[in-house]
Amino acid sequence: GIQVEQSPPDLILQEGANSTLRCNFSDSVNNLQWFHQNPWGQLINLFYIPSGTKQNGRLSATTVATERYSLLYISSSQTTDSGVYFCAVGHNQGGKLIFGQGTELSVKP
Amino acid sequence: NAGVTQTPKFQVLKTGQSMTLQCAQDMNHNSMYWYRQDPGMGLRLIYYSASEGTTDKGEVPNGYNVSRLNKREFSLRLESAAPSQTSVYFCASSESRQVNTGELFFGEGSRLTVL
Repeated sequence: GIQVEQSPPDLILQEGANSTLRCNFSDSVNNLQWFHQNPWGQLINLFYIPSGTKQNGRLSATTVATERYSLLYISSSQTTDSGVYFCAVGHNQGGKLIFGQGTELSVKP
Repeated sequence: NAGVTQTPKFQVLKTGQSMTLQCAQDMNHNSMYWYRQDPGMGLRLIYYSASEGTTDKGEVPNGYNVSRLNKREFSLRLESAAPSQTSVYFCASSESRQVNTGELFFGEGSRLTVL
């Protein structure tokens, strides 16, 4: 099955810093999403981005499907950005959505 | 517009007891899902329903049953709870009828402890 690898596994930032989170996948996909799980456990949609680039405020994401990776950019980080960021991919030949193991982000004031 | 609503948020059971987790979505989505999240194991799919009247097993269906009551509601039942079912359960929905396509939206989660 398709493999999903996220990096780095952990990241500590000072408030105001920028960061890039990476999601590598092993095969062609027709679905890629980024989620943020906040410290209260809620899973929040960030981007549905099987290809291309999207931006939402301080966050943006780029997926290069031909090279099998996606990047999530967080600019001017805030303490409320803390939590775990997951990418999830769907193989273009079907099957369930596969979640990466996540990147745990901690933003210090 | 509440999105995906799960109840209860917290539940403590004794081994052997039964319970049902309820999930409802108000986005007119076609597909609904139940996941469990455990430390070190990530999110694992229990069951899903691509449309009203259909349900299919995910990767960890043993010990669970589901009912797609109508387009809005998808319930998860534990007939005889076991400590291994202690977990956080998430319901999700998607407009797509295909299990790996479309944008997925999650409920707030239900934390279940089985003693």
